[in-house]
Amino acid sequence: GAGVSQSPSNKVTEKGKDVELRCDPISGHTALYWYRQSLGQGLEFLIYFQGNSAPDKSGLPSDRFSAERTGGSVSTLTIQRTQQEDSAVYLCASSLVAGEQYFGPGTRLTVT
Amino acid sequence: EDQVTQSPEALRLQEGESSSLNCSYTVSGLRGLFWYRQDPGKGPEFLFTLYSAGEEKEKERLKATLTKKESFLHITAPKPEDSATYLCAVRGANSKLTFGKGITLSVRP
Repeated sequence: GAGVSQSPSNKVTEKGKDVELRCDPISGHTALYWYRQSLGQGLEFLIYFQGNSAPDKSGLPSDRFSAERTGGSVSTLTIQRTQQEDSAVYLCASSLVAGEQYFGPGTRLTVT
Repeated sequence: EDQVTQSPEALRLQEGESSSLNCSYTVSGLRGLFWYRQDPGKGPEFLFTLYSAGEEKEKERLKATLTKKESFLHITAPKPEDSATYLCAVRGANSKLTFGKGITLSVRP
């Protein structure tokens, strides 16, 4: 079956602009996660959605970052007023409840 | 705070030369230890989940083991196609995964 998909695969933006990153999880997976991966660093947790529960936003690095999940499926991660330090690969993962997480290919964000 | 440390950072092996990758962890109430493989430019690919000390899982040339403080990923007779970054992660009392920085494995033909 289809895996997790993310779009765009690459995004180059100017400092100060807003960006939206999209994630389509595996059908039927109730949990959805966003991570950030910088060169030489581990995956950094950003936000977690589980069903209709309030999302766990504890990993968001600043109030410029937000995410929503519509209809329990597609999710959008928004970064406002981008900064150069936001440059990274943003990864989305989905899972059945609290099971193994399956990752998408990521969006490489470059802020110039 | 949950913590995961992987060692070594990088490992270079000759084809056929078996070795082990280490993942040391501290976690409040382990609810799973996960191994992933990540190829350049791609998202991590799930390999194994281990839940309790003494548990072992195998897949082709890979075998993962778990103790109360660490996990090992044993690679038997590796091939060049096993070259990748191997990530270890733990899930504690919440449903978030805490990842290590990964071990980059290179297997020379």
